Parts: sequence; structure tokens; C-alpha cells
Amino acid sequence: DAGVTQSPTHLIKTRGQQVTLRCSPKSGHDTVSWYQQALGQGPQFIFQYYEEEERQRGNFPDRFSGHQFPNYSSELNVNALLLGDSALYLCASSLSRRGTNQPQHFGDGTRLSIL
Amino acid sequence: QKEVEQDPGPLSVPEGAIVSLNCTYSNSAFQYFMWYRQYSRKGPELLMYTYSSGNKEDGRFTAQVDKSSKYISLFIRDSQPSDSATYLCACQGGSEKLVFGKGTKLTVNP
Repeated sequence: DAGVTQSPTHLIKTRGQQVTLRCSPKSGHDTVSWYQQALGQGPQFIFQYYEEEERQRGNFPDRFSGHQFPNYSSELNVNALLLGDSALYLCASSLSRRGTNQPQHFGDGTRLSIL
Repeated sequence: QKEVEQDPGPLSVPEGAIVSLNCTYSNSAFQYFMWYRQYSRKGPELLMYTYSSGNKEDGRFTAQVDKSSKYISLFIRDSQPSDSATYLCACQGGSEKLVFGKGTKLTVNP
């Protein structure tokens, strides 16, 4: 039973460039959330996708955008990269059930470095 | 004030010790409380998932939630060097968004 998989594992970009990160959810899960984890900090919520729609968004600028595909996989896009975007980007998946929360399971992340 | 506060440590204990990790939170809407373990260069791994107040035990791990004081704890009994990691508490309200503490770095010395 495959867990959450993310690609690539590492990425180096320069300021102003654009990046796309990818996530495949755990088998049976239909909801994908993205988090940014700066060094020495806890993860910060970016947004969540369910049924191919952005269901909730955290306090991140419009440079951060995403997409969910019919097979539940997801992409995170970041435009006009800044030095401060250097972080570990984590994808978490869960199963949405009406009336109850389900735990989120994380992948190992993509480490993004901006030069 | 941050919604979830967690002492970042670091915390260093001898093998076999009982470890106590704690978080406080400010948002009364939080109903679900989690502890994740994160090894270096890995993603967070779910350890405990609890709803509302009370205790939950799983092997050497016990999670406690006290909603009246907005205080959550994780106890690790008979700690092992393999428990050395960063421990993250997380809270969740009616929305699906998780709100994390900064994490506590734990080292268990053989």
C-alpha cells in the first residue's frame, strides 16, 4: 500500500523562476493538502484540494497556486520565486467523510532551494 | 500570540527515561489533536490522533488532551535512541487545516 509520494525530492531554482511540485496521495485518499515548512519551524498550511477544487487556503500569496487531477494527484505551482520560498514543501492526503475529520498523512516532501 | 505554542527544546534524555512533550493552544474551536514524529530529511509521521479531551494510549506512547486548559501532551515511556526525532503537535478545528507547533527536537542518548 503506497503512501504519499512526492516529486522531485530536491530542486534548486533561482529568483524569479517558476516551479511545479507533484504529489500522489495515499491509496484510497481523495483530498490533498499542501504545507510549507521552513527550517526549524512547523509546517504552515498553503491550501487544500478536494474534487479538483481549492477548498481552503492559508495565508499565502497568489504566486502559490495548485491543481488536483481526476485521479486525486495534485500539483503545487509557485511563480516569481523569492529567496524566502526556500523550504520543505509537504503534501498530505486524507479521506473526506461528511461529519468527521480524518487524519492527514504526509509525504517526505520536496526540498526547494532558491539561489 | 500563535495559535499553537510548543517549546522547541532541544530535549536530551537518557535511554529508558519517560519523556513528556507539551503544547498549548488558544483557539477554542480546535477539536482534533495530533502528534507527528519527523525524522531528519523526512516528512511528518502520524503518531497519535485524538478527538476532544481525554487520554489515548498506543504502546509506549500516551496522548493527553485537556480542553479546559487548552493543553496537550505526549508521553513516551521507556524511550529508545530510535525515538530521537522532532515531535510536532497539531490542532484542527471544523476545517481540514492543521495548525502546527514549532516542534520539539528530542535526543535519546544510549
